[in-house]
Amino acid sequence: GESVGLHLPTLSVQEGDNSIINCAYSNSASDYFIWYKQESGKGPQFIIDIRSNMDKRQGQRVTVLLNKTVKHLSLQIAATQPGDSAVYFCAESGGSYIPTFGRGTSLIVHP
Amino acid sequence: GAVVSQHPSRVICKSGTSVKIECRSLDFQATTMFWYRQFPKQSLMLMATSNEGSKATYEQGVEKDKFLINHASLTLSTLTVTSAHPEDSSFYICSASRRDQGEKLFFGSGTQLSVL
Repeated sequence: GESVGLHLPTLSVQEGDNSIINCAYSNSASDYFIWYKQESGKGPQFIIDIRSNMDKRQGQRVTVLLNKTVKHLSLQIAATQPGDSAVYFCAESGGSYIPTFGRGTSLIVHP
Repeated sequence: GAVVSQHPSRVICKSGTSVKIECRSLDFQATTMFWYRQFPKQSLMLMATSNEGSKATYEQGVEKDKFLINHASLTLSTLTVTSAHPEDSSFYICSASRRDQGEKLFFGSGTQLSVL
């Protein structure tokens, strides 16, 4: 995952646009990846996950893409809404059952 | 779904006092519980991992005597910040995993600790 302790990058989008949040991971042995959403002052919430035997998985308005060749994960949010404003974290797990969190991206949706 | 309840949500205490934070899995038995610390606009830092009935495993740099973790049952873990100081002020979050959901974590709502 990304280095812990660095300040969050920010993505600003207009309501209705599609959002793409990226994450680079470092452990090539990781085989399970999760995206979490954290609203201000709250704990993270599970959004979507993907195993390494897949390269794409879709949920409701969200899609996760996994590129194992370059160790890259992305979260696509369709028709972004103000309620999507939050910090988004990717997490990777390599069999130890202890996920490692990336540094997160702050998504700001402008009405 | 799996619900994790964390209390209190906010606590203000004087320097030198101890603070206990509870984390409960309400509708499932937690295989493992995790405690994280989060500074403003930063990622989650894993502090320790605890399994019911055994000693917690602390991450490097986390003081065991400062952050006491007790995991007395499959549904309850507590974190006690002993002799708290202003530098311990932070957002503390617990999470739990369940046996049938692998590495997926279910998070509590967090505790904002402010030490005066």
